[in-house]
Amino acid sequence: ELKVEQNPLFLSMQEGKNYTIYCNYSTTSDRLYWYRQDPGKSLESLFVLLSNGAVKQEGRLMASLDTKARLSTLHITAAVHDLSATYFCAVVPFVGETSGSRLTFGEGTQLTVNP
Amino acid sequence: GAVVSQHPSRVICKSGTSVKIECRSLDFQATTMFWYRQFPKQSLMLMATSNEGSKATYEQGVEKDKFLINHASLTLSTLTVTSAHPEDSSFYICSALRDPGTEAFFGQGTRLTVV
Repeated sequence: ELKVEQNPLFLSMQEGKNYTIYCNYSTTSDRLYWYRQDPGKSLESLFVLLSNGAVKQEGRLMASLDTKARLSTLHITAAVHDLSATYFCAVVPFVGETSGSRLTFGEGTQLTVNP
Repeated sequence: GAVVSQHPSRVICKSGTSVKIECRSLDFQATTMFWYRQFPKQSLMLMATSNEGSKATYEQGVEKDKFLINHASLTLSTLTVTSAHPEDSSFYICSALRDPGTEAFFGQGTRLTVV
């Protein structure tokens, strides 16, 4: 059974600071997603990481994927209050020789950025 | 971009009644649709996977007679919560997949409250 673990689960940080959220998963995969969820809302897609060593950046967020270590990181640079939300990683495992379609989500990281 | 529309966004129903939630892919044909459930402060849990024209595949522990899924066309899947009880109150989210191995797109979610 695929397990996806995020840490930390709760993160309170000051504006202007940097921090990293980690996502570990337990089986072979070449597709990992990062999503943002605001309270009462659905998921907003942030990044799709498709290969080992993939790095993507959008604004103050940067995501990377190390398939050998089965680890993805979401790095926050110079945090601002608007980044306060819950962040989920989700993994699609290989099914046989090919990539499947089912997403397994991490527990989520609730980020609060304080002024 | 791909748009998935979920309706209604909020519904309140009396205990013992049934509620239907619709998930539509507006600008693409979805080979597969997924239904998730999310309790407050928790992650998304996959309930079932549905393919057009065939029976849904339910995850372990999900009652198929209680959560009826119909995927009658390539653009519409419905989830009916039958004989709803207060413990069924949750946030239900669908996602739709255009092709296997590609990114799924999420609907806006439905907040179900059973009173």
